[in-house]
Amino acid sequence: DAKTTQPNSMESNEEEPVHLPCNHSTISGTDYIHWYRQLPSQGPEYVIHGLTSNVNNRMASLAIAEDRKSSTLILHRATLRDAAVYYCILRDSNTNAGKSTFGDGTTLTVKP
Amino acid sequence: EAEVAQSPRYKITEKSQAVAFWCDPISGHATLYWYRQILGQGPELLVQFQDESVVDDSQLPKDRFSAERLKGVDSTLKIQPAELGDSAMYLCASSLGGDRTDTQYFGPGTRLTVL
Repeated sequence: DAKTTQPNSMESNEEEPVHLPCNHSTISGTDYIHWYRQLPSQGPEYVIHGLTSNVNNRMASLAIAEDRKSSTLILHRATLRDAAVYYCILRDSNTNAGKSTFGDGTTLTVKP
Repeated sequence: EAEVAQSPRYKITEKSQAVAFWCDPISGHATLYWYRQILGQGPELLVQFQDESVVDDSQLPKDRFSAERLKGVDSTLKIQPAELGDSAMYLCASSLGGDRTDTQYFGPGTRLTVL
């Protein structure tokens, strides 16, 4: 499985934008990039996914580098409720496309 | 909004005992996953079902763990006998299919403590 690398932790101030990076230098051409987050004492929840183009939804934006070797999850205005562990995952169609291989993620702390 | 249900939410057991966890996926979801999450780490896939068939159980410790989804709906994960190292959160997730674009919906998990 292709691997992802994320910083262990990041801090942000409330109501400021947050950019969470992810490196995936061994990504293949058909791998989708997914982001999930896990709030304290809850199961992970879906945030966003993309293949090549930048994506926006009500929760966040996903910026994908032109060579696809990295991506950035953007939270436009962080709130205290956004404090969570954020996971960047590659879904590989060549093996088990449904499988999500989680790393240890980035723990985001939001300061009031 | 439909949710993945899991029970029990918490389970404390002694080593060498048997434990079982239950998961009810979102209605209509063909794919069901069981993950194990050790404190401070990301979830690790144990087993994946497509309807009632196992698609991937490569990380399931088959000497003590078993999983079934007999009618292709709800599922049970069993550990027998439990060991101290099995203490973890056990998460169930479901998705419409097993495609690389499908969203996985996770339940609240079962926190297992083995004494």
